[in-house]
Amino acid sequence: GAGVSQTPSNKVTEKGKYVELRCDPISGHTALYWYRQSLGQGPEFLIYFQGTGAADDSGLPNDRFFAVRPEGSVSTLKIQRTERGDSAVYLCASSFTGGALYEQYFGPGTRLTVT
Amino acid sequence: AQSVTQLGSHVSVSEGALVLLRCNYSSSVPPYLFWYVQYPNQGLQLLLKYTSAATLVKGINGFEAEFKKSETSFHLTKPSAHMSDAAEYFCAVRWSGGSNYKLTFGKGTLLTVNP
Repeated sequence: GAGVSQTPSNKVTEKGKYVELRCDPISGHTALYWYRQSLGQGPEFLIYFQGTGAADDSGLPNDRFFAVRPEGSVSTLKIQRTERGDSAVYLCASSFTGGALYEQYFGPGTRLTVT
Repeated sequence: AQSVTQLGSHVSVSEGALVLLRCNYSSSVPPYLFWYVQYPNQGLQLLLKYTSAATLVKGINGFEAEFKKSETSFHLTKPSAHMSDAAEYFCAVRWSGGSNYKLTFGKGTLLTVNP
């Protein structure tokens, strides 16, 4: 079956612009996660959805970042007034549910470059 | 703060040699432990996981890891490296408790395999 997909694979934007990053999870997975991987670092947790609601958004760095999952499937990560420091690979993952024993399956990521 | 430490950002081995990638975590309570591999321009793939069953865990592609509570370690090994093992490897932890859905990653170790 299809894995987690993310679009676009690459996004270049100018400082101050607005961007949206999309994640399509594995069908039937109720849990969805966003992580950010900066150069030379491991992925860092941003937000966790269980169904349509954000169960934990403690990893979002500031109020320029927002994510939605209106129908409990596709999720969009939105970044307003982008800054050069937002440049990173944004990874999405999904799992059957949010429990610790359920494997998180990762998408290939969206590489965001802010110029 | 709870953390995951991977010793060595870059490990280089010869083809056929032993692979040893080190991971330590900071907690007195054993968490759930994972190793992921990331090939260039691909998402993270789960190699193996420890979830409080056997302390020696076998994964895909001939990798295994041993959980040592007294050393708070979860080192990854493979007896004989293959060229196709060249990739970046991440140790990750899901801490016990209410936030056990969240993965905390180390900074990663880039494995190079020389012919």
